[in-house]
Amino acid sequence: DSGVTQTPKHLITATGQRVTLRCSPRSGDLSVYWYQQSLDQGLQFLIQYYNGEERAKGNILERFSAQQFPDLHSELNLSSLELGDSALYFCASSPRRGQEDSYEQYFGPGTRLTVT
Amino acid sequence: AQSVTQPDIHITVSEGASLELRCNYSYGATPYLFWYVQSPGQGLQLLLKYFSGDTLVQGIKGFEAEFKRSQSSFNLRKPSVHWSDAAEYFCAVVKYNNDMRFGAGTRLTVKP
Repeated sequence: DSGVTQTPKHLITATGQRVTLRCSPRSGDLSVYWYQQSLDQGLQFLIQYYNGEERAKGNILERFSAQQFPDLHSELNLSSLELGDSALYFCASSPRRGQEDSYEQYFGPGTRLTVT
Repeated sequence: AQSVTQPDIHITVSEGASLELRCNYSYGATPYLFWYVQSPGQGLQLLLKYFSGDTLVQGIKGFEAEFKRSQSSFNLRKPSVHWSDAAEYFCAVVKYNNDMRFGAGTRLTVKP
């Protein structure tokens, strides 16, 4: 158990809908990352937040957005869902910056999203 | 562009045999390197990491990896594979801004 929690574990929804995925980082970790894992694209970095602020952006679609709240949990919002958005979505967290282990990322169990 | 290559999509080894999973990176500076393992339906678990210093690093579950700067490689090894090691293995490189890039993964099958 990495200490990173994600809810829900599974989500089934229809095209055009909007969903919110939730992540709680490990205690004390300030950085949260979101990844999408699909069979054709592999593991893709979406976005990173550090202490409430967006820090880096990867291959995140405009239909997707995220935020990190004052209690450090994060939410990933996916809207106007398409069949191709079906994937595993992982959240990861890492310790505060300035320490060598801040580059380590600890992954949650993921949310499996199925768009029908 | 920075990238991580895992040349082997799928490897099959017999239980008790040795294992080596290959990873090559393309990166303009000294990288931070990681190996993760993902069991079916699970998240990624950190096996080991290399930041600096001794180029042979030990990880959990009896795994080790060797950083070779001249070959831009960070191969994962285990002397004797157990059936429970069957999983997907990912090599990853971290850029300066914590942007972690993953290889495509190598799926390990262990034969009895």
